[in-house]
Amino acid sequence: AQSVTQLDSQVPVFEEAPVELRCNYSSSVSVYLFWYVQYPNQGLQLLLKYLSGSTLVKGINGFEAEFNKSQTSFHLRKPSVHISDTAEYFCAVSAGDQAGTALIFGKGTTLSVSS
Amino acid sequence: EAGVVQSPRYKIIEKKQPVAFWCNPISGHNTLYWYRQNLGQGPELLIRYENEEAVDDSQLPKDRFSAERLKGVDSTLKIQPAELGDSAVYLCASSLMNEQFFGPGTRLTVL
Repeated sequence: AQSVTQLDSQVPVFEEAPVELRCNYSSSVSVYLFWYVQYPNQGLQLLLKYLSGSTLVKGINGFEAEFNKSQTSFHLRKPSVHISDTAEYFCAVSAGDQAGTALIFGKGTTLSVSS
Repeated sequence: EAGVVQSPRYKIIEKKQPVAFWCNPISGHNTLYWYRQNLGQGPELLIRYENEEAVDDSQLPKDRFSAERLKGVDSTLKIQPAELGDSAVYLCASSLMNEQFFGPGTRLTVL
């Protein structure tokens, strides 16, 4: 069975500092991995996804993530955060290896950016 | 391109009352999902449709929850009767291939 563990429930950082949000997964099938962002009272917006190919994935808003198969990790990084990056971030793994399979989400990491 | 539309955005009801949520997916997306997001948690799948067929409803509490997707487009999720523990955000998503697009959700409060 697939599962996702987000290692930090809260990450406070100062504006313009780098940040890493950690995600570990377990999967018995081919891995499709995702990072979503959720702003207050809004739905989830896709930041980036790993389906295959290059292990370094670039997404929107300057975020990137690296797929590490040996460590079963998919950590999210940004070299310099802004106040507007304050939100809830969810790592997710596809529940199967077929297109359209539902996602299994971690519990989320709250990123708080202060000036 | 219009995104996934959900209504209502907020709903407050008393326990034992019925409630229904509506979702209109992105045009052309054959796959539709209903997720439930409890406070402080990630979303969890309730049901997945491929066109009008429910292909994964193993997590749907069938004693009180029901869903339908007539004509393979809009979908309705119903709870009858609602319980206190049903308070959550109900998210609808649709997908084409491997990317899911989420609606804003319906926040349900059961008193």
